Amino acid sequence: GAGVSQSPRYKVTKRGQDVALRCDPISGHVSLYWYRQALGQGPEFLTYFNYEAQQDKSGLPNDRFSAERPEGSISTLTIQRTEQRDSAMYRCASSLDQRANEKLFFGSGTQLSVL
Amino acid sequence: QQQVKQSPQSLIVQKGGISIINCAYENTAFDYFPWYQQFPGKGPALLIAIRPDVSEKKEGRFTISFNKSAKQFSLHIMDSQPGDSATYFCAARKKTSYDKVIFGPGTSLSVIP
Repeated sequence: GAGVSQSPRYKVTKRGQDVALRCDPISGHVSLYWYRQALGQGPEFLTYFNYEAQQDKSGLPNDRFSAERPEGSISTLTIQRTEQRDSAMYRCASSLDQRANEKLFFGSGTQLSVL
Repeated sequence: QQQVKQSPQSLIVQKGGISIINCAYENTAFDYFPWYQQFPGKGPALLIAIRPDVSEKKEGRFTISFNKSAKQFSLHIMDSQPGDSATYFCAARKKTSYDKVIFGPGTSLSVIP
């Protein structure tokens, strides 16, 4: 596609439910990143992939959070047993490859609200 | 613990003035320093970036100044325009191939006519 696509755009869920957030990166982009952005704050790193390999998951807050990218393209970020503190904008970004000077292209994000 | 610190939190500049946003880092392993611009309702977009082997990089009205010894870098927006009103994030990345971009907390810039 023309840009990074994320779905759903908004997700409202009840505390304790599981949610799955989807990211479709720019075609051909090797690297895919998940960030979480609270209102008025900078993006906070969660995890990232090169192709299908999860290179770094050090930013995932706890074991309720997981991510996968099984075929090296679309990625899913799953949050199990959601809590109110999980409410935030979840952003996906992709880059052509993992070289240090490659720029990130961000999607419009999924706004998650946990009631 | 913030790996990239940024100031000010918010900034109001008159049209035609110079906007200056400052950032500082501690980790000397960082060697790539991008700035991202974010408009309301949109994702951040790369504006300009610098590597520490140069002290300044200019692209149009946007200039990054880099002070390696002080571990500080700044964004200067010359002739600021209302269309520049956005949130600006400085960021940093280590030189290793497999590493993430760490963002600062952001500066909300308002350019008033």
